[in-house]
Amino acid sequence: QQQVKQSPQSLIVQKGGISIINCAYENTAFDYFPWYQQFPGKGPALLIAIRPDVSEKKEGRFTISFNKSAKQFSLHIMDSQPGDSATYFCAALFGGYQKVTFGTGTKLQVIP
Amino acid sequence: NAGVMQNPRHLVRRRGQEARLRCSPMKGHSHVYWYRQLPEEGLKFMVYLQKENIIDESGMPKERFSAEFPKEGPSILRIQQVVRGDSAAYFCASNTGREPYGYTFGSGTRLTVV
Repeated sequence: QQQVKQSPQSLIVQKGGISIINCAYENTAFDYFPWYQQFPGKGPALLIAIRPDVSEKKEGRFTISFNKSAKQFSLHIMDSQPGDSATYFCAALFGGYQKVTFGTGTKLQVIP
Repeated sequence: NAGVMQNPRHLVRRRGQEARLRCSPMKGHSHVYWYRQLPEEGLKFMVYLQKENIIDESGMPKERFSAEFPKEGPSILRIQQVVRGDSAAYFCASNTGREPYGYTFGSGTRLTVV
């Protein structure tokens, strides 16, 4: 019930294309859903986050779509660039408690 | 740079030795979290600490692993009698414990057991 399932495991996208990463959760107590970006040799960095009372949040080329009834959320990277090549983790946590549950990660490669 | 500082960046230990990983949280952060990342895998929660208190250690192996966050100084993750399966990247994160949620991660310590 604490799991967050993430797909695909890896993704190759051409420069300028749209990268889409999907996540699903089971615990309806989760009320905050961040995405993290990790470059090789570095720690994960918070990219964008959403609460379940919002269906979509956009920051620059990054958009989170949230479907509360389906318990699914996704990250869309528009106009993908080689510099976006990294591993992306979806995550979830619930209010008042700080422990974050991470998905298994998606390794994105954007090719020129 | 006032980010989360972890040291050492790389640590090599022989089987049976002790590994000590240190984490200094960001200034103003009093909550520290340790995660373990195995190659090609996600981050697995280990332990959540506040100053002088362990809040949640549900992800810590029952034996050989311990963590502390003293009143003064960094948080320490200690692994006694290391085995090859302990080889992983260990990440520390910190936050204030208040809104907005989210962590600031350090760059990790990569432990290799030979």
